[in-house]
Amino acid sequence: EAGVTQFPSHSVIEKGQTVTLRCDPISGHDNLYWYRRVMGKEIKFLLHFVKESKQDESGMPNNRFLAERTGGTYSTLKVQPAELEDSGVYFCASSQGKRHGDSRNIQYFGAGTRLSVL
Amino acid sequence: ELKVEQNPLFLSMQEGKNYTIYCNYSTTSDRLYWYRQDPGKSLESLFVLLSNGAVKQEGRLMASLDTKARLSTLHITAAVHDLSATYFCAVDMKTSGSRLTFGEGTQLTVNP
Repeated sequence: EAGVTQFPSHSVIEKGQTVTLRCDPISGHDNLYWYRRVMGKEIKFLLHFVKESKQDESGMPNNRFLAERTGGTYSTLKVQPAELEDSGVYFCASSQGKRHGDSRNIQYFGAGTRLSVL
Repeated sequence: ELKVEQNPLFLSMQEGKNYTIYCNYSTTSDRLYWYRQDPGKSLESLFVLLSNGAVKQEGRLMASLDTKARLSTLHITAAVHDLSATYFCAVDMKTSGSRLTFGEGTQLTVNP
């Protein structure tokens, strides 16, 4: 079974440019999450999709970040325009469970996209 | 706001030695997770701890949970080089949906 895949693995852009990150979750997983780790700090939640709907986007830092999940399958996270503080590793995770407390709620992570804004 | 603290953040140890990584969290949580990450790889789920007193073991790693103390430990027994990685603990709460709140991670290096 294929795991969570993220593309690209590494992106280097200049301040003010636009970058789009992609995540393909495990097939059949309704839940998709985006997280970010900045400067070796803790991994922080950005948002949560259930199928194509945004369940919780309370962690999105500002309106320069736009996440979509087309047809409830893959997801994209666009940063426009990118700023220096957006540098970090962006992780995507997916899970199968439908309710909190469901044992299938274990989140499976991708390898991340390392974004460097210069 | 839920906060999760791990210590130590960096750990260098000799093969064959034992050591413990600690994970404290600030408010009642529903579940506690331990993940392992090798450089450039995905986070791999190691353990899920659901209730007070839970203990799980896999190979040289053993995780435990004390919900009264809001503390989880990850104990390493007779470390080997292959255990070198970054270890994260994370918690979730029913009131915050299923999002995870992570500690900063413990970077473990096991030296021959």
